Amino acid sequence: GAGVSQTPSNKVTEKGKYVELRCDPISGHTALYWYRQSLGQGPEFLIYFQGTGAADDSGLPNDRFFAVRPEGSVSTLKIQRTERGDSAVYLCASSAPSVDTQYFGPGTRLTVL
Amino acid sequence: DAKTTQPNSMESNEEEPVHLPCNHSTISGTDYIHWYRQLPSQGPEYVIHGLTSNVNNRMASLAIAEDRKSSTLILHRATLRDAAVYYCILREIMYSGGGADGLTFGKGTHLIIQP
Repeated sequence: GAGVSQTPSNKVTEKGKYVELRCDPISGHTALYWYRQSLGQGPEFLIYFQGTGAADDSGLPNDRFFAVRPEGSVSTLKIQRTERGDSAVYLCASSAPSVDTQYFGPGTRLTVL
Repeated sequence: DAKTTQPNSMESNEEEPVHLPCNHSTISGTDYIHWYRQLPSQGPEYVIHGLTSNVNNRMASLAIAEDRKSSTLILHRATLRDAAVYYCILREIMYSGGGADGLTFGKGTHLIIQP
């Protein structure tokens, strides 16, 4: 079956611009997670959705970062006024109800010039 | 999630067994031990998890120490495709059987496989 997909696979933007990153989870998965991975580091948790609501957004680094999941399926991570330090691979994962196994997408590589 | 300690890197030969250690001395009674791996240029993938007893699946085996303060991921016959970063993660299981919040990744062990 189809796995988690993320678009775009690569995004290059200029400092100060706004970007949106999209995640399509596995069908039927109620939980959705966003992570950020810098070079040489493990992924860092950003936000977790259960259905449409953000159950835990404690990992968002500041108020420039925001994520939505309006219909409980697709999610969009939004970054305002991008900074060079935002450059990283942004990973999305989803998991089925009552199962603690996360399935990851291939990630979006964001480069802020 | 409680903290884990893993070696930065390990090297092994193709078609030989690989034992990847993980120390988690502060593990609590409700923490499960999960392993994920990340192949180059891919997102992490689930490998295996366990609580107290040793576990086997098609990818690997997980050996858990009797005091649960350490565990070992075992790849029985490593192939070049097993070259990846392996992460050991503790997860507190929720009453519903699922997890909550995000995974806490460390730096993991970079496994190098020599042909």
